[in-house]
Amino acid sequence: KQEVTQIPAALSVPEGENLVLNCSFTDSAIYNLQWFRQDPGKGLTSLLLIQSSQREQTSGRLNASLDKSSGRSTLYIAASQPGDSATYLCAVGGDKIIFGKGTRLHILP
Amino acid sequence: GEEVAQTPKHLVRGEGQKAKLYCAPIKGHSYVFWYQQVLKNEFKFLISFQNENVFDETGMPKERFSAKCLPNSPCSLEIQATKLEDSAVYFCASSPQSATNENLFFGSGTQLSVL
Repeated sequence: KQEVTQIPAALSVPEGENLVLNCSFTDSAIYNLQWFRQDPGKGLTSLLLIQSSQREQTSGRLNASLDKSSGRSTLYIAASQPGDSATYLCAVGGDKIIFGKGTRLHILP
Repeated sequence: GEEVAQTPKHLVRGEGQKAKLYCAPIKGHSYVFWYQQVLKNEFKFLISFQNENVFDETGMPKERFSAKCLPNSPCSLEIQATKLEDSAVYFCASSPQSATNENLFFGSGTQLSVL
């Protein structure tokens, strides 16, 4: 059974810092891995989708990597801004989509 | 529409009452998914539809929960005889062409509070 773990559960950093969010999964037989952002009272917004054959994807200040063999993905946020404050969820796509519990990120102005 | 519309935004029910939640997927999307998020923890998959047909219902509790997607109507998720542990935010998502997580668009959710 696929299990997805996100570390840390919560993170507070000063504005401008670079930061890394971690996601690990137990079953490497995945189709893809996706990072979402959830703002309070809202649904999920897709940030980056990495196919199982890819190693990373980039969008603006965001970079996501995937190491399928070790069951790990990281989301790197460069030059963090207060608007980046949100919960970030990792989701693994296989027969089903399995979500982690998320990392609550707070960027301090 | 261009977004997944969920109604109502909030729903309060006494224990034992029925709750019915609605989801209008983005026009042209063939797949609809329901997820349950309890206390801001992980999203639990409930059920998915391909058009009006159930695609995967392995996450649905066997009792009390049912769902439908009928032509020309919003999809619905119904909980009979609600229990306190049903309190959660229920999210609907739709996808244009795939039952996987590619091109998933989420609604804003329905907050269900069972008292």
